[in-house]
Amino acid sequence: GQHIDQPTEMTATEGAIVQINCTYQTSGFNGLFWYQQHAGEAPTFLSYNVLDGLEEKGRFSSFLSRSKGYSYLLLKELQMKDSASYLCAVIDSNYQLIWGAGTKLIIKP
Amino acid sequence: ETGVTQTPRHLVMGMTNKKSLKCEQHLGHNAMYWYKQSAKKPLELMFVYNFKEQTENNSVPSRFSPECPNSSHLFLHLHTLQPEDSALYLCASSQGRDNTGELFFGEGSRLTVL
Repeated sequence: GQHIDQPTEMTATEGAIVQINCTYQTSGFNGLFWYQQHAGEAPTFLSYNVLDGLEEKGRFSSFLSRSKGYSYLLLKELQMKDSASYLCAVIDSNYQLIWGAGTKLIIKP
Repeated sequence: ETGVTQTPRHLVMGMTNKKSLKCEQHLGHNAMYWYKQSAKKPLELMFVYNFKEQTENNSVPSRFSPECPNSSHLFLHLHTLQPEDSALYLCASSQGRDNTGELFFGEGSRLTVL
């Protein structure tokens, strides 16, 4: 079956850099999303990758390797407000959205 | 005003109750979705509506009944739920329904079934 793997939880220090990995096995690929979800709040869009390479957007960057079925979200200069869950989702060949279970990121001072 | 609004934010109900969740989007989108979010599990797509027409029903039990009276409003009617139905129910909207566009989520309705 189709599935996406992400670490369940990660801890990092304020001001540091953290990389959240996402590996996927899906029937085809039409794009990959990253969403951020603060506790008790709505998931919000962070990035969309459809071609291989790195997309940079301020402190956040997202990388994709389609041949390896792999993506990561890189967060730089971590701030306490970055404590949240990060959701990876892949669009398969039928344009269905397959979700990972999310990675809870804890930032410590 | 947020783009997607859900009410109520919290709901506690018994297994014999009937209640409804409401979602409203102010973004002019054509597609609306209901998702179920349980702790440490991937988001589960329940229903999709495109231009008020239901286009997907992912084997959801009949105790969940969706209604989409127009492109801006979406309801989820709940009846004789089970304790395992306790979860966060998220509404989302998007411009198109092929999933290549960004989803805009509401903050969710936290449902507890006793």
